[in-house]
Amino acid sequence: GQSLEQPSEVTAVEGAIVQINCTYQTSGFYGLSWYQQHDGGAPTFLSYNALDGLEETGRFSSFLSRSDSYGYLLLQELQMKDSASYFCAVVGYSTLTFGKGTMLLVSP
Amino acid sequence: DADVTQTPRNRITKTGKRIMLECSQTKGHDRMYWYRQDPGLGLRLIYYSFDVKDINKGEISDGYSVSRQAQAKFSLSLESAIPNQTALYFCATRGGQETQYFGPGTRLLVL
Repeated sequence: GQSLEQPSEVTAVEGAIVQINCTYQTSGFYGLSWYQQHDGGAPTFLSYNALDGLEETGRFSSFLSRSDSYGYLLLQELQMKDSASYFCAVVGYSTLTFGKGTMLLVSP
Repeated sequence: DADVTQTPRNRITKTGKRIMLECSQTKGHDRMYWYRQDPGLGLRLIYYSFDVKDINKGEISDGYSVSRQAQAKFSLSLESAIPNQTALYFCATRGGQETQYFGPGTRLLVL
C-alpha cells in the first residue's frame, strides 16, 4: 500500500517563501507529483520529480529525496492567488495516490 | 473547449436512486480515472481504465460501477445512491508518466 503525509494547513504573507513537505511510504514508485486546487475547482498539475534533486518552474520548485522518501514544494514570492490546496501524489505505473492536501492561506 | 468535460456539473438525488456521471475527453489519452473528493480526505481513486476492455477497481470501488464506452468516454454509475456518497467527483486522463488532466468535477448531493 501507499500512504502520504503532508501538513493540513500552512499560512504565509504575500511576498514570502513557503515550503510544503510531503513524506511517503510506498511499494511502487516512479516519482512524486504536485497538484494545485483552488476552492471547488479541478486539480491542476504543477510539477513532477522522478529523480532526486530540485526541479524549478518559475516561482515554484519541487524537491525529491528517494532515499528519505521525502519531497517538498517551494513557493516563492507568494501572491494572493497562490491561496489554494496543494496535493503531493506518489506516481505509480498504473495510478497516482494523493495525499490529503495542504491548504495554503496567503494574507496581505 | 475543455479537454476533459463532465456532466452534470451538479446533481441532487435521493437515496436509492440510480445515477450516472459522464466524462468525455478530447486529449486522445487511453488512461482514464474516476476519483471522489471529500473535505480533508484528498482524492481517492474509485475506478480506472486503460482501454475499453480494461477496467480496474481503485481504493473505494464498493457501491460504484463504470463503463468505458469508447476511448473518449468513461462513465461512473451509482446503482443505488446513499447519503455517504455525497461528494465532489472528478474524472481525469493521463497521457505521459507524470501528468493527469482533471475535468471540472461533479458535485453530487444524495438526500
